[in-house]
Amino acid sequence: KQEVTQIPAALSVPEGENLVLNCSFTDSAIYNLQWFRQDPGKGLTSLLLIQSSQREQTSGRLNASLDKSSGRSTLYIAASQPGDSATYLCAVLPRQGGSEKLVFGKGTKLTVNP
Amino acid sequence: DGGITQSPKYLFRKEGQNVTLSCEQNLNHDAMYWYRQDPGQGLRLIYYSQIVNDFQKGDIAEGYSVSREKKESFPLTVTSAQKNPTAFYLCASSIRSSGSTDEQYFGPGTRLTVT
Repeated sequence: KQEVTQIPAALSVPEGENLVLNCSFTDSAIYNLQWFRQDPGKGLTSLLLIQSSQREQTSGRLNASLDKSSGRSTLYIAASQPGDSATYLCAVLPRQGGSEKLVFGKGTKLTVNP
Repeated sequence: DGGITQSPKYLFRKEGQNVTLSCEQNLNHDAMYWYRQDPGQGLRLIYYSQIVNDFQKGDIAEGYSVSREKKESFPLTVTSAQKNPTAFYLCASSIRSSGSTDEQYFGPGTRLTVT
């Protein structure tokens, strides 16, 4: 059974710092991996999707990498800003017979201090 | 504007009452999903539907029911059989492609409180 783990559960950094969020998964048989952002009391906003054949994706100050063989992904945020404060969720789409059921980690709560 | 809408944003019910949460999408997506989010537990899949008039149970379907009569709509009913219904409920949709490019988009959520 696929399991997704995100460490640390919470992270606090000063503004301007570059930071890395980690995601690990137990089964490398995946279609893709998605990173989401969630603000308190809100829905999820998709940040980046990395297909299983890709190694990384970039969007603005965000860069996500995927190492399928080791079951790891990282989300790199450059020059962090207070507006980046949110919970970041990682999810994988397992390859299982026609199912499109995402498996989520519990998230990393990021606080960027001015 | 294309997107997913959920209503209401906040919902309060008495124990023993059934309640229906609305989810509508105008993205022309085939697949729709309902998740439940509890503090410290992450998102858990309740039901999903890959096509109109068809739906499948997720990991925690007990005490819930759904229908998919229209492509745009996937309402979730929380029945009185659900033992702990207070939670944040999220609806999502995806185009349901071959898999690798399938990206899920989420609505703003409904917070249900049952007392």
